[in-house]
Amino acid sequence: GENVEQHPSTLSVQEGDSAVIKCTYSDSASNYFPWYKQELGKGPQLIIDIRSNVGEKKDQRIAVTLNKTAKHFSLHITETQPEDSAVYFCAASYGSGGSYIPTFGRGTSLIVHP
Amino acid sequence: DVKVTQSSRYLVKRTGEKVFLECVQDMDHENMFWYRQDPGLGLRLIYFSYDVKMKEKGDIPEGYSVSREKKERFSLILESASTNQTSMYLCASSGDEQFFGPGTRLTVL
Repeated sequence: GENVEQHPSTLSVQEGDSAVIKCTYSDSASNYFPWYKQELGKGPQLIIDIRSNVGEKKDQRIAVTLNKTAKHFSLHITETQPEDSAVYFCAASYGSGGSYIPTFGRGTSLIVHP
Repeated sequence: DVKVTQSSRYLVKRTGEKVFLECVQDMDHENMFWYRQDPGLGLRLIYFSYDVKMKEKGDIPEGYSVSREKKERFSLILESASTNQTSMYLCASSGDEQFFGPGTRLTVL
């Protein structure tokens, strides 16, 4: 089955700096790569996703890049703010719509210092 | 506003008790999931269901069972709770996107 590795487990940055979280996956058939943000006391929430026919996707201060050859994908957050502090999870899956079963990374705790 | 709700935010049970965790979604999704979340281990899939009365084992089904009698409701059952089942339990449902509930923090004493 799919195996997703996520690094680092903890990331501490100063407000305004950029943050990068990296994930690798093992199953070359995976074609959907979502990223989730989990704030304290809440369930994870989808913040951005990318499909295998796209190399990069941006949404305001966040972006995700995908390298299918190397089987890795990354989350980039620019101009970090204290409210970006949360646990971030990457995931990989095959399928789309309601049929996908994602495999999650172990999470990255991002701390943004004011 | 789409929602996945879980019956309890916090639950304390004793070893050997039967525990029911309830999850309800209002998005008419066919797929529903139960995960447990432990520090350093991420989200691990316990069971999922792709239709009423259908269920599939995830990565860690031992010690758990599930029930899906109605499309909107997916229940996780611990037949005889043990201390190693102390964890955060997250329910999710999916259409084009996976939506999570707020979680139930279960403590088994």
